Amino acid sequence: ETGVTQSPTHLIKTRGQQVTLRCSSQSGHNTVSWYQQALGQGPQFIFQYYREEENGRGNFPPRFSGLQFPNYSSELNVNALELDDSALYLCASSPVGDYGYTFGSGTRLTVV
Amino acid sequence: SQQGEEDPQALSIQEGENATMNCSYKTSINNLQWYRQNSGRGLVHLILIRSNEREKHSGRLRVTLDTSKKSSSLLITASRAADTASYFCATGPYGATNKLIFGTGTLLAVQP
Repeated sequence: ETGVTQSPTHLIKTRGQQVTLRCSSQSGHNTVSWYQQALGQGPQFIFQYYREEENGRGNFPPRFSGLQFPNYSSELNVNALELDDSALYLCASSPVGDYGYTFGSGTRLTVV
Repeated sequence: SQQGEEDPQALSIQEGENATMNCSYKTSINNLQWYRQNSGRGLVHLILIRSNEREKHSGRLRVTLDTSKKSSSLLITASRAADTASYFCATGPYGATNKLIFGTGTLLAVQP
């Protein structure tokens, strides 16, 4: 098992810019989810992808979008960055069903 | 929005002591999971308990679930300095997605 890897680990962007975060799922996991974690808070669900289709979305605006590729890797795109988008972004993969998630180490995004 | 709340928000104990953290949630669940997070990085899955289970063990971890009270507890026995981390409960999955809704976390400090 290779686990979940995310890139980059840290990123600084200017308000109004766009950002793409990347995630490689654990081998054998066909579901990938993205979470946003503000400082001192629990992770908040952004959306989930299964078989390259969005399969559930949290309370995030459309400027948060994503993709899942045939190899189950994934991207999170955020347009028109706002200061409040500064957070740790976590990618998690899982098999379908009643299983725990495997999380990546996250991308720390700072918007200035 | 957060589904659950952990209690206490912070806990400081001596090495060798037991640590107990509690989690309360609001809606019906299929399962409840506990995760550990070191220094604001990725989350590590600890244990999953299904809604029809009342107690589960994994090594030094013991989890209980009371669906009538919508609460769970995590007990770490014989704690070690390496157990110092934030601990989150998460409930799910919901509907067709595997999304998890996380609590606010308990910060555990184990003093050597």
